[in-house]
Amino acid sequence: DIQMTQSPSSVSASVGDRVTISCRPSQLISSLLAWYQQKPGKAPKLLIYGASSLQSGVPSRFSGSGSGTDFTLIISSLQPEDFATYYCQQVHSFPPTFGGGTKVEIK
Amino acid sequence: QLQLQESGPGLVKPSETLSLTCSVSGGSISSSSYFWDWIRQPPGKGLEWIGSINYSGSTYYNPSLKSRVTISVDTSKNQFSLKLTSVTAADTALYYCANDGGSYWVENWGQGTLVTVS
Repeated sequence: DIQMTQSPSSVSASVGDRVTISCRPSQLISSLLAWYQQKPGKAPKLLIYGASSLQSGVPSRFSGSGSGTDFTLIISSLQPEDFATYYCQQVHSFPPTFGGGTKVEIK
Repeated sequence: QLQLQESGPGLVKPSETLSLTCSVSGGSISSSSYFWDWIRQPPGKGLEWIGSINYSGSTYYNPSLKSRVTISVDTSKNQFSLKLTSVTAADTALYYCANDGGSYWVENWGQGTLVTVS
């Protein structure tokens, strides 16, 4: 299985801050990466697919970039509703695997 | 917009079989556009892909669970199901049914159902 390593595991930030989350797969995965947001007690929500394509309805302050083995999710200006845990997922090889998550907390 | 809803026992004894059903509304489970997935999340932990089934009934199981997993579709009820045999405490998790368009990035999720093995 492809191992997905996210960093940091948690980040404290304030409303309006720029937040950057990294995801590194153990193998090359081209651009076959998605990002999800999960709030407590809720199912994950797809934010980004194909490494950089914004899912319909997702605010433009979310952006994704990268390819190969180095990917980034950026929240350009953190809003109160963005405090959550974020997961990356590779879909290059079956089974799809997820990163360990990055919890974005209020500073 | 597709809606998915899991149902099944919340408590299963060790060594027994976990059985869950996902009811689909807002679309046909027979659609060639969709794959139907089961994903789980142990309490406080990350996400694990269990397996998928497509419109033709082809199944794709996580090798780590393959010997214990069966996913099936009931087109007459617009439902798909998960069976996981010989469960242990390690199978305690929030189980999500979900769907994707064949790419494995998940657009629609059920609300999740907690299954405790004890």
